[in-house]
Amino acid sequence: GAGVSQSPSNKVTEKGKDVELRCDPISGHTALYWYRQSLGQGLEFLIYFQGNSAPDKSGLPSDRFSAERTGGSVSTLTIQRTQQEDSAVYLCASSVRTGGNQPQHFGDGTRLSIL
Amino acid sequence: DQQVKQNSPSLSVQEGRISILNCDYTNSMFDYFLWYKKYPAEGPTFLISISSIKDKNEDGRFTVFLNKSAKHLSLHIVPSQPGDSAVYFCAAHHLGAQKLVFGQGTRLTINP
Repeated sequence: GAGVSQSPSNKVTEKGKDVELRCDPISGHTALYWYRQSLGQGLEFLIYFQGNSAPDKSGLPSDRFSAERTGGSVSTLTIQRTQQEDSAVYLCASSVRTGGNQPQHFGDGTRLSIL
Repeated sequence: DQQVKQNSPSLSVQEGRISILNCDYTNSMFDYFLWYKKYPAEGPTFLISISSIKDKNEDGRFTVFLNKSAKHLSLHIVPSQPGDSAVYFCAAHHLGAQKLVFGQGTRLTINP
């Protein structure tokens, strides 16, 4: 079956521009997560959604970052007024539900480069 | 602070031998530990997990060992195969927070 799909796969933009990254989770998965991986680093948690509950935004690095999940399915991560330190691979994951015994399945990520 | 640490950035093992990847953690609120494998330009792929109440979990060539008193876990791959060459991430699930905390990864190279 289809896995987690992310678009675009690559995005190059100028400093100060806004960007939107999209994630289509696995059908039927109620939990959706965003992470980012900076060069040479592990994955850093950003935000997660579980069903219709309020999202956990505790990992968002600044108020320039926001995310939404429409209809309990597709999610978009928006970065406003991008900075060079925002350059990273942004990864989306989904799981059947939250819980440590529910492995998160990842998409291939969006590589974001800020010039 | 780094709550999950993989102190070896790289490891090289001969094909057919055992690969042992290590991970240390500091937070007692982790209830599950997971290992992911990542190829270049792809997302991480789930390999195996272990509950914090267990000390061993085995799945085919992959075995994860957990030593709670030492706050240490390891992934054993035996026998190692060329397709195992990838970056391996250790991750810990935070009870209540529902997020995964990742180590920095270990690049495993299997030599023929």
